[in-house]
Amino acid sequence: QITLKESGPTLVRPTQTLTLTCTFSGFSLTTTGVGVGWIRQPPGKALEWLALISWDDDKRYSPSLESRVTITKDTSKKQVVLIMTNMDPGDTATYYCAYRGSYNYGLGTYSFDPWGQGILVTVSS
Amino acid sequence: DIVMTQSPLSLPVTPGEPASISCRSSQSLLHTNGYNYLHWYLQKPGQSPQLLIFLGSHRASGVPDRFSGSGSGTDFTLRISRVEAEDVGVYYCMQGLQTPFTFGQGTRLEIK
Repeated sequence: QITLKESGPTLVRPTQTLTLTCTFSGFSLTTTGVGVGWIRQPPGKALEWLALISWDDDKRYSPSLESRVTITKDTSKKQVVLIMTNMDPGDTATYYCAYRGSYNYGLGTYSFDPWGQGILVTVSS
Repeated sequence: DIVMTQSPLSLPVTPGEPASISCRSSQSLLHTNGYNYLHWYLQKPGQSPQLLIFLGSHRASGVPDRFSGSGSGTDFTLRISRVEAEDVGVYYCMQGLQTPFTFGQGTRLEIK
């Protein structure tokens, strides 16, 4: 069974750097065809994809946030870390991490499934 | 970026009645491998999104067979054959063909 859980601060001051950790189980990020993504959702608004890291350390970012976001992995700890700099009140959102596996390799659905429970991060002074 | 457009944005439905949601993409989501990289999620109140349909028409594990997905290229539809009270929430389509992955605005289904 694949599970993911987000952790990190729930309150961040404007201009500070946010560091979120996704701790997962049930798969290895060294397996070909596997990836972990980050998605966020401002209160009452739609979902927004942020970043994806794959088994081969390929990293993809949302162009609108690429200058502020970094995604890394620690395969031995089974963790994926998202770093977002220069936080702004507009970054207030629930942040989710989610698994993405290759359908052709029988590892998933090419979609994000499952998702973690999410962590609400508020940016306020 | 591929723009995803859902309609309607609000969908009141009587229990037992069918419902459908449309999702259109600004570019074809048909990959050379023959799959349409279009996925459907349901976000129930206070919960994380859950996968309903992947690759256009494949029902995810554990999803009731009253949910079905169809379409190809740029036009997709999610259908619920008979809506139940537990189906309330916001439905999102998402394209997974290319980064940046993008979501539709969401369709809120409510029970009349």
